[in-house]
Amino acid sequence: RKEVEQDPGPFNVPEGATVAFNCTYSNSASQSFFWYRQDCRKEPKLLMSVYSSGNEDGRFTAQLNRASQYISLLIRDSKLSDSATYLCVVKRGSTLGRLYFGRGTQLTVWP
Amino acid sequence: GAGVSQSPSNKVTEKGKDVELRCDPISGHTALYWYRQRLGQGLEFLIYFQGNSAPDKSGLPSDRFSAERTGESVSTLTIQRTQQEDSAVYLCASSLAGTSGGLSIYEQYFGPGTRLTVT
Repeated sequence: RKEVEQDPGPFNVPEGATVAFNCTYSNSASQSFFWYRQDCRKEPKLLMSVYSSGNEDGRFTAQLNRASQYISLLIRDSKLSDSATYLCVVKRGSTLGRLYFGRGTQLTVWP
Repeated sequence: GAGVSQSPSNKVTEKGKDVELRCDPISGHTALYWYRQRLGQGLEFLIYFQGNSAPDKSGLPSDRFSAERTGESVSTLTIQRTQQEDSAVYLCASSLAGTSGGLSIYEQYFGPGTRLTVT
């Protein structure tokens, strides 16, 4: 079983739509959680960390459910520039250490 | 400031040849990671260096893969006797270790990657 599983997508939504991505992780030792964004043929970049109480950054809201080992990302009022692949990422510690990546969910926002 | 840099950006090699990929981390970053991403796949961890500690090599797929790091600077990933299944983008990341103003600063910053094609 993969460490991190994501909705495969692709998601194709119109501008202004709300879209949600889901992710599950298999190792209960996971302590740090992130969403990364990866544009086509580019390196991944950190979008936001995910905290236990849930957190919001502008149009982006991340939720964590430790009991279900489930992470989500909600994007409101989608923009064309949100088109990218969104990677669910976990780390077993809270400090240094390797990251475990999901395969990513591709989002295309159309005008 | 300068981000993580990698060279070459693209490398085409014949099956059976050896290749060396280079990573220059962000200055002052003590931790350095190598990942690879095959077409349409997620990132796979290869190896992790932290200061003077023994590297975590648990992700290296075979003994054809090796990596070195000089102090807290440049790292080189070497693939010997390349195979077609080695074709991928090889990504390097670096991070600080510690906290700043109470916030964790362990974020990994990725370089642009080296696209390796084995023919």
